[in-house]
Amino acid sequence: AQTVTQSQPEMSVQEAETVTLSCTYDTSESDYYLFWYKQPPSRQMILVIRQEAYKQQNATENRFSVNFQKAAKSFSLKISDSQLGDAAMYFCAYAGSGNTPLVFGKGTRLSVIA
Amino acid sequence: GAVVSQHPSWVICKSGTSVKIECRSLDFQATTMFWYRQFPKQSLMLMATSNEGSKATYEQGVEKDKFLINHASLTLSTLTVTSAHPEDSSFYICSASRQGVTPQHFGDGTRLSIL
Repeated sequence: AQTVTQSQPEMSVQEAETVTLSCTYDTSESDYYLFWYKQPPSRQMILVIRQEAYKQQNATENRFSVNFQKAAKSFSLKISDSQLGDAAMYFCAYAGSGNTPLVFGKGTRLSVIA
Repeated sequence: GAVVSQHPSWVICKSGTSVKIECRSLDFQATTMFWYRQFPKQSLMLMATSNEGSKATYEQGVEKDKFLINHASLTLSTLTVTSAHPEDSSFYICSASRQGVTPQHFGDGTRLSIL
């Protein structure tokens, strides 16, 4: 079974600074997808960024980028120029190919300090 | 973008009541929907996979007779918590995707409180 591990229960960053959230996963599949979701206090699940395993290029979405190391099974999220609105729970998630459910890590609570 | 609507957003009811939660894909057909549960300060855990026109597949430890799932159409799946008790109080959230397409799109979730 696939597993996702987030080793940082809590992180904090100064406004305008950069922070990196860690995620590792375990799978025997070769074709899969990785995601970072943001969950604010409203508990909505907001997709931040996605990465297809077959793509070597790291995904980027504005201030959010990932460092995808397939051999090491690592998928970290970098948030640049952190903003107060970035404060939330961040979940790393794995999905196999096809229409399969997401497997989530335990999450990292990010605080942004003004 | 794809939209998934979940209703109700918050429900409070007495112990022993049955509660139905609806999950609708508004602008696409979803052959598969997923139901997750999230307890306070925990992650999302898959409860079941709902397939249109067939029986749901439940995860180990999830009582299928307590959590009834119906996926009668390509745009609607329902989760009914039967004879709910306080320990069923949680945040329930559904997701859906087009066939073979990622990512999944989430509903806004339902906060269920059983008194």
